[in-house]
Amino acid sequence: GAVVSQHPSWVICKSGTSVKIECRSLDFQATTMFWYRQFPKQSLMLMATSNEGSKATYEQGVEKDKFLINHASLTLSTLTVTSAHPEDSSFYICSARDLASVYNEQFFGPGTRLTVL
Amino acid sequence: AQSVSQHNHHVILSEAASLELGCNYSYGGTVNLFWYVQYPGQHLQLLLKYFSGDPLVKGIKGFEAEFIKSKFSFNLRKPSVQWSDTAEYFCAVNAEGRRDDKIIFGKGTRLHILP
Repeated sequence: GAVVSQHPSWVICKSGTSVKIECRSLDFQATTMFWYRQFPKQSLMLMATSNEGSKATYEQGVEKDKFLINHASLTLSTLTVTSAHPEDSSFYICSARDLASVYNEQFFGPGTRLTVL
Repeated sequence: AQSVSQHNHHVILSEAASLELGCNYSYGGTVNLFWYVQYPGQHLQLLLKYFSGDPLVKGIKGFEAEFIKSKFSFNLRKPSVQWSDTAEYFCAVNAEGRRDDKIIFGKGTRLHILP
C-alpha cells in the first residue's frame, strides 16, 4: 500500500532556531501534498497545500514566511518552521495525494512532534 | 467551503455496547467521506472511506458507516465495541472534483471504552 514517511518523528529545538520537516511518498508519486497541524487533544488543521514545482497555497491565518514549504520533487515536500517559538510546538502531519489512485486518495504520514523550548 | 460537524465530543461506553458516532457535512456537490482513528500516542489511520457506490461502507476492525445523502450524514457504527477501540475518531470530507482537493476534518470524538 501507499506509504508516507516523515522525518524526523520528533524534534526539540531552542527558541529562535529553524526546523525542517520532510514528508516523503515512498512508493508513489504525489504532485500535491498537504500539511496539517494538530494541537493536543484537538483536530487536524490544514495549514497549506504543497504543489510540486509551484508555490504552496496557505490557509487563512497561516503565516507563509513563518512556515516555508518546498515541494521540489514528486516524492518530497518540506516544511520549515522559521524562528520557532514555544507556541509553534505542535504535531505536524503531512499527507500526499496518489496520482495513480482512481479517486486521488490521500495518505497520511505518521507526524512530527515539534517541541520548542 | 465544505465543513464537517461531529456531534459528540466525548463518548464513554462499556465493552460490548453498540456505538454510533454522528457526522454531518456541508457541501452542495459530490463529496468523498472518511473516518480516521487516532489511537493514544499513534498516528492517524484510515478506518473507512466512501467515494461512490454502496452507501453502506465497511471498514477495518468491524466498523461501518452509512452515507445518507439527503441528510448530509456519514455516521460511524460498530455493533459491539472493545476496550481497544478507545481512541479519537475524526470524520473528514473532501469535495470531489475540486482542484484543491483538501480534506477537511471534524473536531473529533474522543471514545473511551470501559473494560
